[in-house]
Amino acid sequence: SQTIHQWPATLVQPVGSPLSLECTVEGTSNPNLYWYRQAAGRGLQLLFYSVGIGQISSEVPQNLSASRPQDRQFILSSKKLLLSDSGFYLCAWRRGETQYFGPGTRLLVL
Amino acid sequence: GIQVEQSPPDLILQEGANSTLRCNFSDSVNNLQWFHQNPWGQLINLFYIPSGTKQNGRLSATTVATERYSLLYISSSQTTDSGVYFCAVAYNQGGKLIFGQGTELSVKP
Repeated sequence: SQTIHQWPATLVQPVGSPLSLECTVEGTSNPNLYWYRQAAGRGLQLLFYSVGIGQISSEVPQNLSASRPQDRQFILSSKKLLLSDSGFYLCAWRRGETQYFGPGTRLLVL
Repeated sequence: GIQVEQSPPDLILQEGANSTLRCNFSDSVNNLQWFHQNPWGQLINLFYIPSGTKQNGRLSATTVATERYSLLYISSSQTTDSGVYFCAVAYNQGGKLIFGQGTELSVKP
C-alpha cells in the first residue's frame, strides 16, 4: 500500500532563517506531488506541484521554492523565512483523480 | 479563477442528529472531492464525486454539476465526526485542487 510521510512534524524557526521540509511517498512510482499551505482560517492553498523529477510548477509567487530530487521525494524550501510563512504545510500525492495527504508540518516563524 | 463557497461555516450538532453541508462552485469542474480534517490536522478523503451520488456508511454525497453545487450528508452524527469538512474542485487535467474555506462541525455528546 502507499504511504506518504512528512518531516518534521513541527518546526519553530526565527525570521530570516532557512527552511527545508521533506515529503516522501512509498509504494508508488512517478506520482504527481503537491505542496499546500493552510494558514489560520482554514483554507488550503496550492503552492507547488510536480509531475516528475526536476519538474516543478509554482502556483503562487512567494518566498518559497520546491524541488524534486528523486521520484518520490518533494522538498519545500526557503532561503529566508518571513513571519507570513507560518502555517500548516501539507504534501499530497495523486492516484487517479484523488489526492491523498500527508500528516503535515506545523511551522511557526517567530 | 473558480470560486468555491461552503456553507454553513460552523455547525454544532447533538450526537445522533443529521446534517447537510453545501459546496457551491462558480464554473464547470472535472473533479470534486470532499475531505474531512480531523482535530490533529490529517486530511482524509471522503468522496471523489464530480457528478452523481455516492454513499459510504453514514455519509453520502451528491453533486449536481449542471447547477454547480455539491452536498455532503452526515446521518446519525457521532463525536468522531467533529472536525472541518472541505470541498475541493479542479477544472483541468493537472489535478490542482481549489479548496473552499470549510465547514467546522462540532458534535456534542
